[in-house]
Amino acid sequence: EDQVTQSPEALRLQEGESSSLNCSYTVSGLRGLFWYRQDPGKGPEFLFTLYSAGEEKEKERLKATLTKKESFLHITAPKPEDSATYLCAVQALASGTYKYIFGTGTRLKVLA
Amino acid sequence: GAVVSQHPSWVICKSGTSVKIECRSLDFQATTMFWYRQFPKQSLMLMATSNEGSKATYEQGVEKDKFLINHASLTLSTLTVTSAHPEDSSFYICSARDRINQPQHFGDGTRLSIL
Repeated sequence: EDQVTQSPEALRLQEGESSSLNCSYTVSGLRGLFWYRQDPGKGPEFLFTLYSAGEEKEKERLKATLTKKESFLHITAPKPEDSATYLCAVQALASGTYKYIFGTGTRLKVLA
Repeated sequence: GAVVSQHPSWVICKSGTSVKIECRSLDFQATTMFWYRQFPKQSLMLMATSNEGSKATYEQGVEKDKFLINHASLTLSTLTVTSAHPEDSSFYICSARDRINQPQHFGDGTRLSIL
């Protein structure tokens, strides 16, 4: 069964304290892994797409990496404004169409 | 680029009424649109997938007669919650993409409260 698991469920960091979020997946027919940021009461905001193992993408303090079984979202020297829920989604073929399978998210809180 | 507009952002209505939510892709053509439901502190649950000009495909357990989806153009999809009841109260989010390998872009959601 296709599955996406994110860890940790919640993470509290001091400002400037770097860390990594994990997204593990077991999916057949992978067509991309996507990272999103979601603020309370808002829709997810697109961050990165990764398609193949070894691929890396960077944006400001965020860096996403991908292996054949998992993806990491590295946050370097986070700031309070990085506080949000980070979602990963794996796109796979299901019932004849390509859909996202979402992880349950990591709620990140960065303290000043 | 890749902006998806969803409205209304919140709606309160009485039990038994129908509510329509609109989802528009503002700067790209959305061949596929998706409708999700999200409960507090939970991830997004896919309700249905719609391709422009075709009938929507509903996920298992989603009542197609209660949640009517129309995707009549490449920039607009609507979700109508018919005869809404308090248990339909939730946060509904739409997304859109133009091609399979492109990311889905999400609207800002609609908070629906049924009294």
